[in-house]
Amino acid sequence: AQSVTQLDSHVSVSEGTPVLLRCNYSSSYSPSLFWYVQHPNKGLQLLLKYTSAATLVKGINGFEAEFKKSETSFHLTKPSAHMSDAAEYFCVVSDLSTSGTYKYIFGTGTRLKVLA
Amino acid sequence: GAGVSQSPSNKVTEKGKDVELRCDPISGHTALYWYRQSLGQGLEFLIYFQGNSAPDKSGLPSDRFSAERTGGSVSTLTIQRTQQEDSAVYLCASSLVGTVSNQPQHFGDGTRLSIL
Repeated sequence: AQSVTQLDSHVSVSEGTPVLLRCNYSSSYSPSLFWYVQHPNKGLQLLLKYTSAATLVKGINGFEAEFKKSETSFHLTKPSAHMSDAAEYFCVVSDLSTSGTYKYIFGTGTRLKVLA
Repeated sequence: GAGVSQSPSNKVTEKGKDVELRCDPISGHTALYWYRQSLGQGLEFLIYFQGNSAPDKSGLPSDRFSAERTGGSVSTLTIQRTQQEDSAVYLCASSLVGTVSNQPQHFGDGTRLSIL
């Protein structure tokens, strides 16, 4: 079975400084990986997905993530944080179940705080 | 276009009562998922529907929980004889198909259930 580990439960950055949210995965084959953001009282919104087409994936709102097979990592970055980026972020891997369908395996989440 | 719609957005009920939560997926999406999100437990998979196939109920925590999906579209999650530990946010998601690893899931804003 596949799994994801989000290495930080909380990250604080100042507005205008870079953001780095770390995610490591374990997989026996080429995984499909996703990052989602969840703002308070909202559902999860897809930021970006990796599906083996390109290792550097660009998403919405200036976020991007790089798939590094040698490090089994899929870290999320943004060059300059904005106050509106304050939210919880989930790293997700799509895992093949015994029924032949794909299920999401969620990381435990990283809460991003942006300081003025 | 219209996203995943869930109702009600909030539900407060007394312990022992039954509740029904509704999910209206994105039109044309054949896969539908229910999750539970609670403090300290993260996101838990509950049940998955794919087209007309038998649902994957492997995540339902007890026989008080059930779900159906009528006509391959709208789904209802029912919790009978609610307990205080059922208090959580219930999220619904849909995807085009559940049999392809890179198909992203699209989430509704959830139903916040509080059991008094």
